[in-house]
Amino acid sequence: DGGITQSPKYLFRKEGQNVTLSCEQNLNHDAMYWYRQDPGQGLRLIYYSQIVNDFQKGDIAEGYSVSREKKESFPLTVTSAQKNPTAFYLCASSIKPGQGPNYGYTFGSGTRLTVV
Amino acid sequence: RKEVEQDPGPFNVPEGATVAFNCTYSNSASQSFFWYRQDCRKEPKLLMSVYSSGNEDGRFTAQLNRASQYISLLIRDSKLSDSATYLCVVNGAGNQFYFGTGTSLTVIP
Repeated sequence: DGGITQSPKYLFRKEGQNVTLSCEQNLNHDAMYWYRQDPGQGLRLIYYSQIVNDFQKGDIAEGYSVSREKKESFPLTVTSAQKNPTAFYLCASSIKPGQGPNYGYTFGSGTRLTVV
Repeated sequence: RKEVEQDPGPFNVPEGATVAFNCTYSNSASQSFFWYRQDCRKEPKLLMSVYSSGNEDGRFTAQLNRASQYISLLIRDSKLSDSATYLCVVNGAGNQFYFGTGTSLTVIP
């Protein structure tokens, strides 16, 4: 079955370390997105990619980096520059850029990152 | 001003009750509106789209008021399984979709 796979489900990071969250999709979607969710807050867009080898900053890109070397993969690196990285991270994809939930906008099951 | 604003609740209602949530949006040019359901520690899942004329799916009714720039979700005959957080989603500038903070609903036996 097609879908989006995020791994790991839970991740613990020591302060000062970089960590990379994986997001893979086999839906043949062009666009991919990374969101962050904090308790009591909505999803905030970190980065998005509309096509391979291209990506744009979202609303809260500072302290994060991404790459899009393959259509299927959009990994997110949380760097040591991100001062408050503990959060629930969600990856999503859509068939084409700008096409939302009514065009197959799909979420992965998320990665819960905790800084220890 | 935030793109999308929701009353966070929580809403605690008895089984069988009718409950309604509103969500206001700031961009008058927005064209696409949705309601998502998110269970605790899970990813959001699409509940329903919101059409201009209003639409219904079983016990759920979604409506759009463009003049006042809000969308609403009405749940009739609440079930215990309806307990979740409900997020509204609105499209904005630059191919982006904006999520509300969510409204928490607990249905009590």
